[in-house]
Amino acid sequence: SQKIEQNSEALNIQEGKTATLTCNYTNYSPAYLQWYRQDPGRGPVFLLLIRENEKEKRKERLKVTFDTTLKQSLFHITASQPADSATYLCAREHTGGFKTIFGAGTRLFVKA
Amino acid sequence: DTGVSQNPRHKITKRGQNVTFRCDPISEHNRLYWYRQTLGQGPEFLTYFQNEAQLEKSRLLSDRFSAERPKGSFSTLEIQRTEQGDSAMYLCASSLTGVKDYGYTFGSGTRLTVV
Repeated sequence: SQKIEQNSEALNIQEGKTATLTCNYTNYSPAYLQWYRQDPGRGPVFLLLIRENEKEKRKERLKVTFDTTLKQSLFHITASQPADSATYLCAREHTGGFKTIFGAGTRLFVKA
Repeated sequence: DTGVSQNPRHKITKRGQNVTFRCDPISEHNRLYWYRQTLGQGPEFLTYFQNEAQLEKSRLLSDRFSAERPKGSFSTLEIQRTEQGDSAMYLCASSLTGVKDYGYTFGSGTRLTVV
């Protein structure tokens, strides 16, 4: 089956440092991966999409990479701030269908 | 346009009752999705509409669940004979065909508690 695996342990970092979150996928390489942010009690908010032919994509303090050899995407937040504290979800298209498959997310805590 | 709207935000119901949730997507979005999310898990796919046609439904979805999208606008998700295991956040999302770079736009969800 096509799955997304994210580190279930929370990530605690100090303000100003770079946070790096990992997303691994199984089976077929997806055409693209998506990253979302989710705050407690709210729906996910789309952040970035990276295609399999793109090695890296940036948006302001965010950077995403896509390594089809390792079947992995890394999500970086540089100069992290307490306001970046949230759960970050990785998602892939389901090959052969319409749905998007989400990982369980990684909780990020940024301490001031 | 204020984004994807879901109502109600919270619903508490007794086991065995029927509940219905509503989703109003972004008006120009032709794709609409329902997801379910439990604590500590990512959203789990339930069903997908393109315009008014329901094109995909999760095999995990029992026949107590039904969804409609009349006229390709708002959508409703009904759960009949609710069970405690149905307690979850029900999320609606919409998107535009062929425009992947903006991902899905999610609503704030409906939190269902079955007592």
